[in-house]
Amino acid sequence: SQQGEEDPQALSIQEGENATMNCSYKTSINNLQWYRQNSGRGLVHLILIRSNEREKHSGRLRVTLDTSKKSSSLLITASRAADTASYFCALGGGAGSYQLTFGKGTKLSVIP
Amino acid sequence: ETGVTQTPRHLVMGMTNKKSLKCEQHLGHNAMYWYKQSAKKPLELMFVYNFKEQTENNSVPSRFSPECPNSSHLFLHLHTLQPEDSALYLCASSQARPGHTEAFFGQGTRLTVV
Repeated sequence: SQQGEEDPQALSIQEGENATMNCSYKTSINNLQWYRQNSGRGLVHLILIRSNEREKHSGRLRVTLDTSKKSSSLLITASRAADTASYFCALGGGAGSYQLTFGKGTKLSVIP
Repeated sequence: ETGVTQTPRHLVMGMTNKKSLKCEQHLGHNAMYWYKQSAKKPLELMFVYNFKEQTENNSVPSRFSPECPNSSHLFLHLHTLQPEDSALYLCASSQARPGHTEAFFGQGTRLTVV
């Protein structure tokens, strides 16, 4: 099954700066989701964007989806030290499929 | 607290032991999942249950045996594991209707096989 590929693998920024992470994939999707994982803990769902949507916002998060380029980006504005975590994109399957396939993630470090 | 509870949080077992991981969800979801997370590898989907029926088994070795007695509970029975099975095992649940596969994860069980 397909999986998304996040880029970069690691990102280090100063508190207050914006962080941008990208996800590319190869086949058609129903939706694309972003998750966050603090070290050694479970994943937390951040935002879901459907294949017919181009942009979505949630608080300091902005997600874009370009189905023609098969790519998505996650922007975290005005980053905080508490945003330090790994961020994963997950590809949602079509009708009748309940699989979510994850990439390897981007490890974000926000330096106070 | 996501509504998905996993026990135990940490487990150390020998290669000849038999143990079980437990997952419980209080969200009224109808689908439950086991994922394996190893260092430097993508999250691997192991098993999917929808309405207690196993719908996916992604070529997982038989030393891992899932059990789903009802829509709220999921177990992963472990026996004769190998050291390379050491990983974080994550349980998740979702409502699993088309186009709405948002998953809620437990905190995971950190398994070490010695």
